[in-house]
Amino acid sequence: QKEVEQNSGPLSVPEGAIASLNCTYSDRGSQSFFWYRQYSGKSPELIMFIYSNGDKEDGRFTAQLNKASQYVSLLIRDSQPSDSATYLCAVKPSGSARQLTFGSGTQLTVLP
Amino acid sequence: DGGITQSPKYLFRKEGQNVTLSCEQNLNHDAMYWYRQDPGQGLRLIYYSQIVNDFQKGDIAEGYSVSREKKESFPLTVTSAQKNPTAFYLCASSVTGQETQYFGPGTRLLVL
Repeated sequence: QKEVEQNSGPLSVPEGAIASLNCTYSDRGSQSFFWYRQYSGKSPELIMFIYSNGDKEDGRFTAQLNKASQYVSLLIRDSQPSDSATYLCAVKPSGSARQLTFGSGTQLTVLP
Repeated sequence: DGGITQSPKYLFRKEGQNVTLSCEQNLNHDAMYWYRQDPGQGLRLIYYSQIVNDFQKGDIAEGYSVSREKKESFPLTVTSAQKNPTAFYLCASSVTGQETQYFGPGTRLLVL
């Protein structure tokens, strides 16, 4: 079982729709969760992080964390073609020596 | 401007050759990381360093070496022992005690 799993996609949504990206993780003790956006050929850039159960909103982006079910999701409202990218989920497992573990990413395409 | 720089943008390696990728940051971050990304895959940790003159192996350290002589610099050497080095190499940094990592623009390594 992979430590951090994401649907690879591709996920296609029409412009203006809500895009929903999901991520599950295996380490129940994980405390910190991150979403990065990566455009083709570029490096990842941080979108959001979340530490507590529930929702965290930042503009058009909402991160949702459910530790009991071990999943974290990213919602993108009013999706734009410029949101087309690969979205990487990263998790900090329990134990201070462990670094971030990344999922393989979900490719999102927003259709004009 | 504060940030992370990586050079070169593209690097070509011949059989049996060692090559060194540069990573410099002026963010005054204590921790630095090297990741490898293969097409369609997430990031895999090669090495990380939390303080000067100290570094630890990540998940795929074989065939790679690093040094951390200065806080600002964390060069990665891809040795001839790394038989499949073609990949996108990403350097990141973070403040010690904070898990959020920020990435440089990356170096794409190709084998001739």
